[in-house]
Amino acid sequence: DAGVIQSPRHEVTEMGQEVTLRCKPISGHNSLFWYRQTMMRGLELLIYFNNNVPIDDSGMPEDRFSAKMPNASFSTLKIQPSEPRDSAVYFCASSMDHPNTGELFFGEGSRLTVL
Amino acid sequence: GNSVTQMEGPVTLSEEAFLTINCTYTATGYPSLFWYVQYPGEGLQLLLKATKADDKGSNKGFEATYRKETTSFHLEKGSVQVSDSAVYFCALSVYSGTYKYIFGTGTRLKVLA
Repeated sequence: DAGVIQSPRHEVTEMGQEVTLRCKPISGHNSLFWYRQTMMRGLELLIYFNNNVPIDDSGMPEDRFSAKMPNASFSTLKIQPSEPRDSAVYFCASSMDHPNTGELFFGEGSRLTVL
Repeated sequence: GNSVTQMEGPVTLSEEAFLTINCTYTATGYPSLFWYVQYPGEGLQLLLKATKADDKGSNKGFEATYRKETTSFHLEKGSVQVSDSAVYFCALSVYSGTYKYIFGTGTRLKVLA
């Protein structure tokens, strides 16, 4: 079975450039999460969608970050303009069950380096 | 508020040693509790979970019991293997206006042969 698919796996870009990260959740899952992982801050929830609707975006750092989920099988996280402090591993996760009891299935992550 | 606190790592053990990784939480409401494991270069994957007080989650020889009285969910394994080397995350999910899924900072485990 296909898991959560993220692309690109690695991205190196220069400060000021636009970065788009993509995620395909597991078919049938109705919740999708974007996380950021760094050594300093650990794993941070950026945004959570349920049935394609953003439910909680309180973790989005600032206006440079935006996320969309146009349909149940695709989501994007965009950073524009990117800054060196955005360097991190970005994970997408999806869940079928109620978020309170269901397991999160994580993708392998997109490692972003902003020079 | 809602938070998860787990012991700092790294934890280094010899093969077949007993493992405990401490995890305590604060939550408004009745959380579900989870342990996730992250192997190098991979995403997190669920190791075990417990959804109510006194439940015990178990998987691959790992166990954790949901202790409401001490707000704890400590991870244990009787005999670790080199293949258990990974980062372990304690997490909770709780409804607080919206659903919150909160992770601890992770504890790196290194098992030596």
